[in-house]
Amino acid sequence: EVQLVESGGGLVQPGGSLRLSCAASGFTFRNYWVSWVRQAPGKGLEWVANIKEDESVKYYVDSVKGRFTISRDNAKNSLFLQMNSLRAEDTAVYYCAREALGVGRVFDSWGQGTLVTVSS
Amino acid sequence: DIQMTQSPSTLSASVGDRVTITCRASQSISHNLAWYQQEPGKAPKVLIYKATSLESGVPSRFSGGESGTEFTLTINSLQPDDFATYYCQQYYSEASFGGGTKVEIK
Repeated sequence: EVQLVESGGGLVQPGGSLRLSCAASGFTFRNYWVSWVRQAPGKGLEWVANIKEDESVKYYVDSVKGRFTISRDNAKNSLFLQMNSLRAEDTAVYYCAREALGVGRVFDSWGQGTLVTVSS
Repeated sequence: DIQMTQSPSTLSASVGDRVTITCRASQSISHNLAWYQQEPGKAPKVLIYKATSLESGVPSRFSGGESGTEFTLTINSLQPDDFATYYCQQYYSEASFGGGTKVEIK
């Protein structure tokens, strides 16, 4: 069974940093692109960033460029999101999502999410 | 950036109804559109990809349609489990989602 389990969320002050992790199991993690998708409380979904199988290519939504860094450790089947210079508008549930093979950026498996709250 | 405009934002319906949700892209995205269902407090689940392809395990009462930059999700004979929020998503250029449609019980 495919599983994605996020961790690392919490309360952080504006301007602070947080590192999210996503532990993958039940599939060959190194063969897939993976993404972070977020959802502000009561709002819709927003794709944040993704990373290629071998970490050679990374993409970000404009609002996080220069502040967030996506990375992965294929030996540990793990995905990460380093978030710096956090703002109130970054408050959201952050989901780790697997991109379907051969289709494009279609998210066929999701974690349960981890809540990040940016507030003083 | 490609904007996805979804309508309606809320839809009231009864069990057994046929409902249609529309999503319009701000530019051509070819067939690069997916639909997701999200129940309260849960992660989204993919229903449709490539505009009209049904994800494995998804009931056949769900179907996708397309006409140019306008895409539709139709649910035939609405079931109790279908009351949820639905999102469209383009993946032609990076990824962006529509604002969501909440299907609620009339």
